[in-house]
Parts: sequence; C-alpha cells; structure tokens
Amino acid sequence: AQSVTQLGSHVSVSEGALVLLRCNYSSSVPPYLFWYVQYPNQGLQLLLKYTSAATLVKGINGFEAEFKKSETSFHLTKPSAHMSDAAEYFCAVSASGGSYIPTFGRGTSLIVHP
Amino acid sequence: DAGVTQSPTHLIKTRGQHVTLRCSPISGHKSVSWYQQVLGQGPQFIFQYYEKEERGRGNFPDRFSARQFPNYSSELNVNALLLGDSALYLCASSLRLEGGYTFGSGTRLTVV
Repeated sequence: AQSVTQLGSHVSVSEGALVLLRCNYSSSVPPYLFWYVQYPNQGLQLLLKYTSAATLVKGINGFEAEFKKSETSFHLTKPSAHMSDAAEYFCAVSASGGSYIPTFGRGTSLIVHP
Repeated sequence: DAGVTQSPTHLIKTRGQHVTLRCSPISGHKSVSWYQQVLGQGPQFIFQYYEKEERGRGNFPDRFSARQFPNYSSELNVNALLLGDSALYLCASSLRLEGGYTFGSGTRLTVV
C-alpha cells in the first residue's frame, strides 16, 4: 500500500518568489511519483513524473521536483512564481511493478500575491 | 487532438436515482480510470480498466459499477444515489498502466 502526505493545505507566496510545495510518500516498493495541477472547474494536468530515472525531474511551466529516497520526499519547486501559477497542486504515488494505480494527496492550494 | 472527453459536464439528480457518466479516452489510450473528487480533497480512486478488463477497484460500495467498451470508452454507473455522492467525477486515460494520466474536465454531480 502507498500513501502521500502534502504538508500545508495552503501556501502563499509573492509574485517572483520561490515556490516550494511539500510532498512525502510512503510505499513498500519503489515508487512512481507525480505532481498534478488543477485549475478551478477543470480536471488535473500532469506537471511532471518520476519513474526511477533521474532523481531531479523537470516538468512543464518551469516546475521541477527532486526524488529523495532517504527522506521519502518529492517536493515541487519553481524559482519564480507567476500569478498564473495560482491553482491546486496534487502529489500522487503509485507502486512500480504492481497495479500502478496512483494514490493522491489532499492537495495544496497555491496563492500568489502581486 | 482531442483530449479526454466526459459527458455530461453537470448533472443534478434526486436521492435514490441512477446515473451514468461517460468517458472517451485519448485515441490510442487503452487504460481508463475513474476518480471521485469531493470539494477540498484529492481524487479518490474508484475503478481502473485496461484492455476492457477491470484491473483495480477502490473502496466504494457495490452501488458503483463501470465498464469499458471495445473502443476503450467507458461508463461509470451509480445506483441508489445518496447525498454524499455529490462530487466531481474524473475520468483519466493513459497509454500504459504505469504512465502519467491525462484527465478529463470531469462531471459535476449534485444529488438533492
């Protein structure tokens, strides 16, 4: 079984500031890890995924995440926030070699102030 | 290219009724999954189908059922609707089981 904990239901940053959204996972087997973004009244869009290749994963819209096995973490970062980044962000984990069904976290709402 | 399409976009039903939600995956995608998203929470897994066979089922009652058709489109059926079934129902497709999902915009179901 696997699970995801997203620390902080809301994160507030100023435009141009660093974005850091935290995700810790639990998995009994090597995990696949994902970050998705959801804008109001829309479905989820895949930002990036880790599938056991490079530990630093670059995604769309300038986002990246680093897989740290020792810390069981997969935090999402972006050097400079834009107003358009305001949305709900979800971290998800699936078990490699198994059913691959992702389990999602509760989400973190990113608020960007001008 | 068409993404994942879901219909209808919004639906209002009365307690005890039945509902059918539909999903068309991206062309070539053979895996379809259904998720329920209650306001303020992350998506909860309901079903996964791959090559028309059920590959996984989440912790939902038997009132929930689904199927995948030969063209890989899918239906989610919910019987005897309860107020607590009000949610955004998301369909996602992927080329392979282990790949990242592409989600549709969802069906907003309101049970009154």
